[in-house]
This record gives sequence, C-alpha cells and structure tokens, in this order.
Amino acid sequence: EIVLTQSPGTLSLSPGERATLSCRASQSVSSSYLAWYQQKPGQAPRLLIYGASSRATGIPDRFSGSGSGTDFTLTISRLEPEDFTVYYCQQYGSSPTFGGGTKVEIK
Amino acid sequence: EVQLVQSGAEVKKSGESLKISCEASGYRFTSYWIGWVRQMPGKGLEWMGIIYPGDSDARYNPSFQGQVTISADKSISTAYLQWSSLKASDTAMYYCARAHSSSWPNWFDPWGQGTPVTVSS
Repeated sequence: EIVLTQSPGTLSLSPGERATLSCRASQSVSSSYLAWYQQKPGQAPRLLIYGASSRATGIPDRFSGSGSGTDFTLTISRLEPEDFTVYYCQQYGSSPTFGGGTKVEIK
Repeated sequence: EVQLVQSGAEVKKSGESLKISCEASGYRFTSYWIGWVRQMPGKGLEWMGIIYPGDSDARYNPSFQGQVTISADKSISTAYLQWSSLKASDTAMYYCARAHSSSWPNWFDPWGQGTPVTVSS
C-alpha cells in the first residue's frame, strides 16, 4: 500500500497569501496518478487536480498542482475566503489511498 | 448532468445488517467504475472498494475485505454498500464516487452527497 503523508497538518495564512501544500508518497506514484480534492464542512470532496497537474473542469486557475514520483504540491496562488478548508491528496493506482489532509485556516 | 444520489441517514444497533445505496443518472451506468469511501467522524478519507457494474467485478481495500460487500443493480443504475453485522466502529459518513472515465485506475469525479451511518452499541 502506498502511504501518502500530507504536510503541514494545518496551514495558517491570510486572504491573498500563497498556500503551498505538500503530499509525499512512500513509493513512486505511477504515471502521476495523483489527485487533489477540496472538502468543505458538511460537503462531499470536490476534485481540484488530477494527473498531478491538470485542473478539473470549473476550478479557478489560482489552484495548481505539480510534482512527480514521490513528491507532489498543491499551490493556491492567492487565497480567497472560500479556500479556507481541508485538502486531500489521493493516489489512484490500482489500490487507491488518501493522505491525511491539510487544513488551511485563517490566520 | 452526471449525478450520484445516496440513500438517507441510518441509525442502527451493533449486530444489525445494513445496505446503503447510490443511484446514478446522466451517464451509462454499466460503463464506469463506482467506488465507496469512508470518513469517520473528524477524520480523513479511506477508499473501501470499487465495482464495475457492467460485469460486477468488485475490488476491495484489504482493510475492508470481508467486512463489507459492494454490489450493483444494472436494472436500476444503483450501487450498494452492505454490512451483515455492524459494529460501533462503522459509525461514519460513507460516500460513493464515480471513476472519471470507463478505465481503472482513475480519479473520482463526481461524488455522491454522502450517507451518515450511526451504530450504537
């Protein structure tokens, strides 16, 4: 099983700042099968990024993904008020796993 | 529009059985994998398993193998997650989610709204 470790656990930032979220895999993620999801309280997760760097339909361009192998990053270039919530990475190889999540909170 | 609509909240006792559902619409049900994801209270997401409704090929996270059964009914475009004997530790929100395309592996999009399950001991 591929274990995904997200860091930091909590990120305290102000609106307008840049957020950098990390996702590290215990072994190489094949074919960049890495996705990022946003989950707001009381809601289902929403796909942001797939294939490590492709934005899903309707996702603002302030969200970007990068990385390969074992190290991946989600960047939010300028935080909007609605971006303060929890983010999960997922490797979707044959046996998918999720990271533990990063909470982005208002400083 | 692709939609997944899950059944409503459940409150059960330990030892009881349960089957929750995920009704799909807006696409060819038999051509896309559907998976189930658990989220325990205040915790992260866990992939439980997935099924291809076209031939009922089901695959499980080893952590959930033998604990739950995933099935699908093509005639009503509905996937199911069931337990034969619930435990208090099964208390969680359960989401269904469709694989983005007809191939597996793939990312999940869209997701159902979730079914909260509460099991009392």
